[in-house]
Parts: sequence; structure tokens; C-alpha cells
Amino acid sequence: GESVGLHLPTLSVQEGDNSIINCAYSNSASDYFIWYKQESGKGPQFIIDIRSNMDKRQGQRVTVLLNKTVKHLSLQIAATQPGDSAVYFCAENDGKSTFGDGTTLTVKP
Amino acid sequence: DTGVSQDPRHKITKRGQNVTFRCDPISEHNRLYWYRQTLGQGPEFLTYFQNEAQLEKSRLLSDRFSAERPKGSFSTLEIQRTEQGDSAMYLCASSLDREEAFFGQGTRLTVV
Repeated sequence: GESVGLHLPTLSVQEGDNSIINCAYSNSASDYFIWYKQESGKGPQFIIDIRSNMDKRQGQRVTVLLNKTVKHLSLQIAATQPGDSAVYFCAENDGKSTFGDGTTLTVKP
Repeated sequence: DTGVSQDPRHKITKRGQNVTFRCDPISEHNRLYWYRQTLGQGPEFLTYFQNEAQLEKSRLLSDRFSAERPKGSFSTLEIQRTEQGDSAMYLCASSLDREEAFFGQGTRLTVV
């Protein structure tokens, strides 16, 4: 079956530094991926998505890279701020999102 | 606020009781999803609807769980004969077709 996994369960960065969160997936036929952010006590919130016909997509302070050869995704957050502290999930979307277990990002002031 | 809303936010129930949760999606969204999330884990897919049709159910979904979306708008998730292992956050989300899903705040269920 399909599975989505994150490389590190926790990541701690200094405020102002760049953050990189990685994710691997198993289904080579997957064609749509979404990154979500979940703050404590809230539901996941959409950050950015990417389809398999692209290898990079940029948003405001965030960039997602997709490497289909090695089935790997990454989320880059520029100039990380305390408000970025949350759990980040990558999800494979085949009609519904299949989530991994998340990476907890902690931003130190 | 026109986001996804869930009711109740918290529910404490005794083992063996039935519970029902409600989800009101974003009005123009045709898809509605139910997930379950336990501490430290990612959301686990339970089921989803396109309009009033239930298109997919997780194999992990016990027959004690049933979901409905009778008019293609709000949805209910019922758990019969609750067990302690059902304690979790139940999340509802909606989307327009296969686009990104918008999640509600969830219903936290505690079975005692």
C-alpha cells in the first residue's frame, strides 16, 4: 500500500534561519502532494502543494521541491519565525490525503 | 466565519455508549472527509464523500463506525458501542474536487 514518511520527527532551528523538512513517499504513481501545518489544538492547515509535472513550487517564504526519481519531497521555510513552530505533514493526495507522522518544528528565539 | 465547523468540540462518554459528531463543510465544497488523529500521529483517513455518495472507506474503519451525508451538505459520524481505543481527535475536512482540503478544529472524544 501507499505510505508517506518524514525523515526526522523533530527539528529545532534558530529564528531567522532557513528550515528544511523532508518527506519520502513510496508510490511512484503519486501525482499530487500537499504540505500541511498543524498548530496545537487546531486542524491541519494547507501550506503549499505540488503536482508531479513540476519539480519546484514557491509560495510566500515557502518552497516545495519534488524529486520523483528518489520519491522525495522537501519543504523549505525561509527566515523561520516563532509563528512557524508547529507540526508539518506531507500528504500524498489520490482523491484523499494520506498523511505521514509529521515533523515538529521548534523555532528558538 | 465560513470555514469547516465541527460539533461538539469535546465529548466525554462512557464505554459502550453511542456518540454522534457533526461536520458542516465549506458550502461550495463537494467533497467531505473524516479523519482520526491520536497524539503524536498524523491524521488517519476514515472515509470521504463526494456530494452525498460515500466513495471510500478505510479498511481500518470498524463496523461500529458509520458516516452519512444525506443531502450532500453536512455530515455525521456515529460511533456505536464506544471503546477506550476510540479516544482520539476526529477531524473533518472539505475540498472542491481533488484540491487542497480545509480542516475543521476537530472533535476530541474521550471514552472513559
